Amino acid sequence: DAGVIQSPRHEVTEMGQEVTLRCKPISGHNSLFWYRQTMMRGLELLIYFNNNVPIDDSGMPEDRFSAKMPNASFSTLKIQPSEPRDSAVYFCASSMRTGNNEQFFGPGTRLTVL
Amino acid sequence: GESVGLHLPTLSVQEGDNSIINCAYSNSASDYFIWYKQESGKGPQFIIDIRSNMDKRQGQRVTVLLNKTVKHLSLQIAATQPGDSAVYFCAENSNAGGTSYGKLTFGQGTILTVHP
Repeated sequence: DAGVIQSPRHEVTEMGQEVTLRCKPISGHNSLFWYRQTMMRGLELLIYFNNNVPIDDSGMPEDRFSAKMPNASFSTLKIQPSEPRDSAVYFCASSMRTGNNEQFFGPGTRLTVL
Repeated sequence: GESVGLHLPTLSVQEGDNSIINCAYSNSASDYFIWYKQESGKGPQFIIDIRSNMDKRQGQRVTVLLNKTVKHLSLQIAATQPGDSAVYFCAENSNAGGTSYGKLTFGQGTILTVHP
């Protein structure tokens, strides 16, 4: 079982550039979550999807952030334009809606915006 | 200006001791709780969960206790090992299995350091 797959694992970019983070959830899971983790704020939920539909995006910091889930096996989180304060580790997690709602986390993408 | 980060609670124990990590939650409607372990450079990893109709659940070397009266959750680790050193998060969900789609609210975490 591959688990949640995220790419890239590390991203270094310059302020103003577009950044796209990718996630492949566990096969069969129908809920997908994007989190951001920083020393300042800890682990924050940005957005989550159920059956590919965005359910709650209230955690998305601003319009520079957008997320899509075109199918059950792929999601992207895009930042355009990126800013230094976006530097963080971004995690994707997936779960089954039914059952115990345990979320399985990917390894994360460490983003550094210079 | 000076940046201010989270000041996570810390727990330092000797190898072989038992550890107790505590968590207070705020939503009295929460009915499902999880403990996660996060090692440096990795994503959070599930340890154990408990539903609100229980007050205790045991796993391998770990026990979770739930006190709904005071909205308190604890994780007990028996015979703590150096490999247990990590940040531990509690998470809560209200309306689990209902219409909330399993949204979890995470605590800020506790740093556990185990000395050999």
